[in-house]
Amino acid sequence: NAGVMQNPRHLVRRRGQEARLRCSPVKGHSHVYWYRQLPEEGLKFMVYLQKENIIDESGMPKERFSAEFPKEGPSILRIQQVVRGDSAAYFCASSAGGNQPQHFGDGTRLSIL
Amino acid sequence: ELKVEQNPLFLSMQEGKNYTIYCNYSTTSDRLYWYRQDPGKSLESLFVLLSNGAVKQEGRLMASLDTKARLSTLHITAAVHDLSATYFCAVQGMDSSYKLIFGSGTRLLVRP
Repeated sequence: NAGVMQNPRHLVRRRGQEARLRCSPVKGHSHVYWYRQLPEEGLKFMVYLQKENIIDESGMPKERFSAEFPKEGPSILRIQQVVRGDSAAYFCASSAGGNQPQHFGDGTRLSIL
Repeated sequence: ELKVEQNPLFLSMQEGKNYTIYCNYSTTSDRLYWYRQDPGKSLESLFVLLSNGAVKQEGRLMASLDTKARLSTLHITAAVHDLSATYFCAVQGMDSSYKLIFGSGTRLLVRP
């Protein structure tokens, strides 16, 4: 069984460009979570999605950030017009239910030049 | 709002020594996790603690939970270099039970 797959592993963007981060959950999991980890810090919750629905986006900045989890295909975290402060590791997790253990992917390290 | 505090934030210890990492949280929770993270890597799940008084052990690591004190400990026995990593505790709140709230992490360096 494949675990949570994230790609790319590393992403470099220039200021003002767009970043798209992809996450394929564990097979059979319909709950996806995105977390952000700044250097030397713990993970911070961003958004929780179920298939085609955003359940809680309270941790996501109101501007430039968006997330989706379509009926088919991976979950996407999209950051428009990136700035230096967006540089971080972005982790995706999935679970079988909202209060079930979350399985983490290897993360995407985003660097902004 | 649920807050999680870990201490120490950084720990340098010699091989063979014992030490404890502490994790305090601010409101009632029914689930606490310990993770290990190596530099540039993902999170490896170490323990899930579900009830008051729960104690789990794996090798040189032992985790415990006191829900009344809102405190979890991760005890390291006879440390070895391979344990060098960052250790995080994370708590799931009662109301938004899907949301994991992480501590800042404890960077552990075990010196030969």
